[in-house]
Amino acid sequence: AQKVTQAQTEISVVEKEDVTLDCVYETRDTTYYLFWYKQPPSGELVFLIRRNSFDEQNEISGRYSWNFQKSTSSFNFTITASQVVDSAVYFCALSGYFGNEKLTFGTGTRLTIIP
Amino acid sequence: GAGVSQSPSNKVTEKGKDVELRCDPISGHTALYWYRQSLGQGLEFLIYFQGNSAPDKSGLPSDRFSAERTGGSVSTLTIQRTQQEDSAVYLCASSPRLGQGLDTQYFGPGTRLTVL
Repeated sequence: AQKVTQAQTEISVVEKEDVTLDCVYETRDTTYYLFWYKQPPSGELVFLIRRNSFDEQNEISGRYSWNFQKSTSSFNFTITASQVVDSAVYFCALSGYFGNEKLTFGTGTRLTIIP
Repeated sequence: GAGVSQSPSNKVTEKGKDVELRCDPISGHTALYWYRQSLGQGLEFLIYFQGNSAPDKSGLPSDRFSAERTGGSVSTLTIQRTQQEDSAVYLCASSPRLGQGLDTQYFGPGTRLTVL
């Protein structure tokens, strides 16, 4: 069975601070994918990133960066110089490979950026 | 291009009535997924379509839930004899590629179902 744990239920930071959202996963698959989605107050899930289990390189996209560590089964997400528009619920998700592509989501972290 | 669309955006129904929720995937996307988001259960998978067939129905919570997809495009999720615990946001997602691993799932805005 697959499981994703986001231990941080809610985080509040002051604008321009950096913030890291934690994600720990469990799977028996040797090949799998990890995702982050953002759900702003409007409600629609917005795709942010996908990583496969073969690629442990960290990734940076503007103010966003992701740290994938297979040894600790973690896929953490950092927002640098946070902005009010970053306020949302962030979900980490895990899927298997061919034939097992359904997403298993964590419970989400509600991030509030205080102006 | 157009994203995943879902209708209705909101549905209020009485306990015991049947409801149909519709999903229009992104054009050309062969895979389609239904998920449910509720306060108590979080985001949970319901069913997956590849073309018109559903190789994974493992998330459907009871036999009151069914789904179909026609023409490899539009999908309808039907809930019969609705119960109050069916109240949730029902999300549809689609992804472009057939087989060969996974492609990214893009989500629609959801249908908020309230069962009175």
